[in-house]
Amino acid sequence: DVVLTQVPSSSPVALGQPASISCRSSQSLLHSDGTTYLSWLQQRPGQPPRLLIHKVSNRFYGVPDRFSGSGAGTDFTLEISRVEMEDLAIYYCMQATHIPITFGQGTRLDIK
Amino acid sequence: VQLMQSGADVRKPGASVKVSCRTSGYSFTAYFIQWVRQAPGQGFEWIGWTNPKTGDTRYADQFQGRVIMTRDTSVDTAYMELTSLRHDDTAIYYCASDPFDYWGQGTLVTVSS
Repeated sequence: DVVLTQVPSSSPVALGQPASISCRSSQSLLHSDGTTYLSWLQQRPGQPPRLLIHKVSNRFYGVPDRFSGSGAGTDFTLEISRVEMEDLAIYYCMQATHIPITFGQGTRLDIK
Repeated sequence: VQLMQSGADVRKPGASVKVSCRTSGYSFTAYFIQWVRQAPGQGFEWIGWTNPKTGDTRYADQFQGRVIMTRDTSVDTAYMELTSLRHDDTAIYYCASDPFDYWGQGTLVTVSS
């Protein structure tokens, strides 16, 4: 199975400051069809996950442009340009290139 | 787009549970339905998917033989049945339309004797 390792596990940030989360895969996430199926999910307390980014860098509808995704192969990053209060949540990377679909262990974003 | 799941359930070890996922706002047969679960305070575990158009399914190895995914296109609803329940099956079960763009609200399944 593909193992996704997120760094850091917890990230205290000040409001208005940037934040960055890394997701490293145990194998390449480039599919044979040429697409890299790496997504980022946000989960606020008591809520279901919300899709933020799909296929590495594509923001889903309604996601603020302060969120951006980048990377290729085995190394991926989610960046938030200026953290707002509503961004305090747990963030997960997820890959759907290989079966079984797997998730990172999560990164908790909280206030410094 | 909405995915509305059935309510919380409590089952005894060895029993089965069937979670429903009623969809609306899009063409049910156009997108796979994915199922994942999240144990209390933990991350996510993929269970499998069902193709609402054909009924085809794909299950994660650890659930093979214990999970059955079905759908009813007349009511735009997908179902996930988990059998031979164990204490460690206690989790919130989610359905999501592929590619995980819309999610149900989750169904807490508690396995307790």
